[in-house]
Amino acid sequence: EVQLVQSRAEVKKPGESLKISCKGSGYSFRHYWIAWVRQTPGKGLEWMGIIYPGDSDTRYSPSFQGQVTISADESISTAHLQWSSLKASDTAMYYCARLSYFVTVTSPFDPWGQGTLVTVSS
Amino acid sequence: EIVLTQSPGTLSLSPGERATLSCRASQSVSNMYLAWYQQKPGQAPRLLISAASSRAPGIPARFSGSGSGTDFTLTISRLEPEDFAVYYCQQYGSSPPGTFGQGTKVEIQ
Repeated sequence: EVQLVQSRAEVKKPGESLKISCKGSGYSFRHYWIAWVRQTPGKGLEWMGIIYPGDSDTRYSPSFQGQVTISADESISTAHLQWSSLKASDTAMYYCARLSYFVTVTSPFDPWGQGTLVTVSS
Repeated sequence: EIVLTQSPGTLSLSPGERATLSCRASQSVSNMYLAWYQQKPGQAPRLLISAASSRAPGIPARFSGSGSGTDFTLTISRLEPEDFAVYYCQQYGSSPPGTFGQGTKVEIQ
């Protein structure tokens, strides 16, 4: 079974750093793009960026470029999303999702991880 | 960037009724690279339809997708209790890939 399992919920203070993870199993991790998606009550689902674990080719949505860093460690089949300095506005649910077609970036997202809730509050 | 607009925002229907959800793109979606997702409270989105009309594995036949160009539709032929949820469309054919619509909530009337 293809599965993505995300790290647990986090509560952080503004200015702190954070790295959350997404571990893939049941498929060849290096050959499928992984996406990160933010969900907030006000803005719905927002695509943040994608990474190809095989060569770490990474593409960011213009809205998130410079705000977050996406990385992947093929050796442990895990992708990461990190912030160097969190803001209250980063409070949201974050999902990882696999782009469902082998290698290609023109692909729907399937499956999705269970989500990681990030709360940033002083 | 392609902007997707879904309508209506909320659809109030009864079990057994037909649901018709619309997704309109600000420009043509290439090769019908349009997907539909279902999200229930406390759960991650789930892929229902890809390439505008292809059901994902395990998705019941009461879900169907249609459309091309800038106008797409998700139809649920007869609503089951478990179908009351929020539905999102997504285009994945242009840069940036993955633009989502704002969602349509299907609620029990």
